[in-house]
Amino acid sequence: DSGVTQTPKHLITATGQRVTLRCSPRSGDLSVYWYQQSLDQGLQFLIQYYNGEERAKGNILERFSAQQFPDLHSELNLSSLELGDSALYFCASSPHEYNEQFFGPGTRLTVL
Amino acid sequence: DQQVKQNSPSLSVQEGRISILNCDYTNSMFDYFLWYKKYPAEGPTFLISISSIKDKNEDGRFTVFLNKSAKHLSLHIVPSQPGDSAVYFCAASALKRAGSYQLTFGKGTKLSVIP
Repeated sequence: DSGVTQTPKHLITATGQRVTLRCSPRSGDLSVYWYQQSLDQGLQFLIQYYNGEERAKGNILERFSAQQFPDLHSELNLSSLELGDSALYFCASSPHEYNEQFFGPGTRLTVL
Repeated sequence: DQQVKQNSPSLSVQEGRISILNCDYTNSMFDYFLWYKKYPAEGPTFLISISSIKDKNEDGRFTVFLNKSAKHLSLHIVPSQPGDSAVYFCAASALKRAGSYQLTFGKGTKLSVIP
């Protein structure tokens, strides 16, 4: 158990809908990262927050957004969902901006 | 353009023998490298890392070697155990690149350790 929690574990929704994925980092970790893993793809970095501020952006679509709250938990919002958004979404946390990252169990999103 | 490549999608090794997983990178700005292990239905688990100022780092049965001139790193597992069967991801980051500390992952190598 990495200490990073993600909810929900599974999410099934329809095209065009909007969903929110939630992540609670390990106690004391200030950085939160979001990754997407599609079929046959490695983990693709989406976005990083550090102590409430956006720090780095990767291949994140404009339909996706994220935020980190004062209690350091983070939410990833996915809107106007398409079939291709079906994937595993992982959250990771680390104490600082560039330590080893510890991953949560992931949320499996299925868009029908 | 894939900056971190794991060219072997799968590897089978007998229990007790050495497992060698390879990783190549193209971005010369990368200066910190990590290996993660992933079991099905779980998130990746951090295994071992190495900074570019070193060429070897050891932790128990796991050793990572870094060859900067060849832009190549490898993970050695000795002796391999059935519980090591998992997908192994190589990752790299550029610590000095301002505002960009994200990990770039390879696509993974599935290791099967045969009893």
